[in-house]
Parts: sequence; structure tokens; C-alpha cells
Amino acid sequence: DAKTTQPPSMDCAEGRAANLPCNHSTISGNEYVYWYRQIHSQGPQYIIHGLKNNETNEMASLIITEDRKSSTLILPHATLRDTAVYYCIVRLRGAGSYQLTFGKGTKLSVIP
Amino acid sequence: DTGVSQDPRHKITKRGQNVTFRCDPISEHNRLYWYRQTLGQGPEFLTYFQNEAQLEKSRLLSDRFSAERPKGSFSTLEIQRTEQGDSAMYLCASSPRQGRETQYFGPGTRLLVL
Repeated sequence: DAKTTQPPSMDCAEGRAANLPCNHSTISGNEYVYWYRQIHSQGPQYIIHGLKNNETNEMASLIITEDRKSSTLILPHATLRDTAVYYCIVRLRGAGSYQLTFGKGTKLSVIP
Repeated sequence: DTGVSQDPRHKITKRGQNVTFRCDPISEHNRLYWYRQTLGQGPEFLTYFQNEAQLEKSRLLSDRFSAERPKGSFSTLEIQRTEQGDSAMYLCASSPRQGRETQYFGPGTRLLVL
């Protein structure tokens, strides 16, 4: 699986959009981009994933660049409950390697 | 609640003791995963089951670790002769059939070995 690079920490004001970047310059055409987050002392929570196109769900939006070498997770209106470590993960599509390879993620602090 | 459940949530044991953790996946998820997470690090993959078959094991899974999923439903992870380095959060995840592979995690079991 391709490696990912994320900033170690970010701050965001409550009510503003949080934009979390991720670089995955070695991603292949057969690899998804997944985002999970982990609130302190809890298990990771799935947020969103995508292959090529931008995706949106009730939690967030995922913007993937045209060359697929980077992506941005957008939390449109951050709240204090969004304070967590956010992990960007690249993994193979379909049969084969099922494990998720987590890095250290980005610690997002939402400030009142 | 129909999410992944894990039991116990916390475990304190003395070095050298054996411990066993249980994971109940989301109903009808045929894939089950175990991960370990130490302080300040992201989760690390340990092993994976498809139904009752253990299909993949990480080199992190030493011979003191054993995992089972006897009827393709719940799973157990046993650590024999625990060491202080085994202190970590043990996470279980499950996912449905191939083609819908998003993994959903449980709350974890936090192990402290004294």
C-alpha cells in the first residue's frame, strides 16, 4: 500500500471548516483513500473513502486531486466533538491485502 | 447497538499471566480483524479472519499470541505469559463481504501488564 504524509497537528476554530490534507504521491490506480478518526480512548471511526471522484456524506467531504497524489478531508462546520486524531490511509481495492496501515495521523484541535 | 463490541474494556494483569479478549463483530460481517495500538501510535494490524479461517497474520503476532474464530462469529485473542511490552489497546474490526470492505472498529480493550 502507498504511504501517506499528514501534518502532525492542526487547529480549527469552532464553526469553521476544517481542511485536513494528506499526501499519497505513490498511490496506484487500484488504491482507495480512506479516512478514519479516533477520539481519545475510543476505537477508530470510519469517515469516508474514495477512489477518483470527490465524495460527500453526512460527516465530511473528500476532495481528491486529479493526479490522485493528494487529498483533503473537509469537515464543513467543526464542533468541539470533532477534536480527534484523523488518519488518512491508502489501501488496495478488492481481493488481496485487507489490513489497514495507519500512520500517526493529524491531531485536530477544535478551539471554542 | 449493533456495532462491534469488545469485552472486557479494561484489563490489568501481572506479568506472566494469560489473558483472553473477546470480540463480537457486526452481525453478518464475515471478516474480522485484530489490531494493536500503543501510546502515541496508530493501530497496527495483527491478524484477519474470513469466516472461521485465519487468512493473514502479522509478524507482530508472536507465538504467545493466538486468535480464534471457531464458528465464524465472535473471536477471541489470547496472550500467554504476558510481558510489560504487551500493554496496549487491542482493537477489533469487522467488515462485510468482498466489494464492501470498509472496516468498522469496536471500542477496544485496554491492557495494562504490571
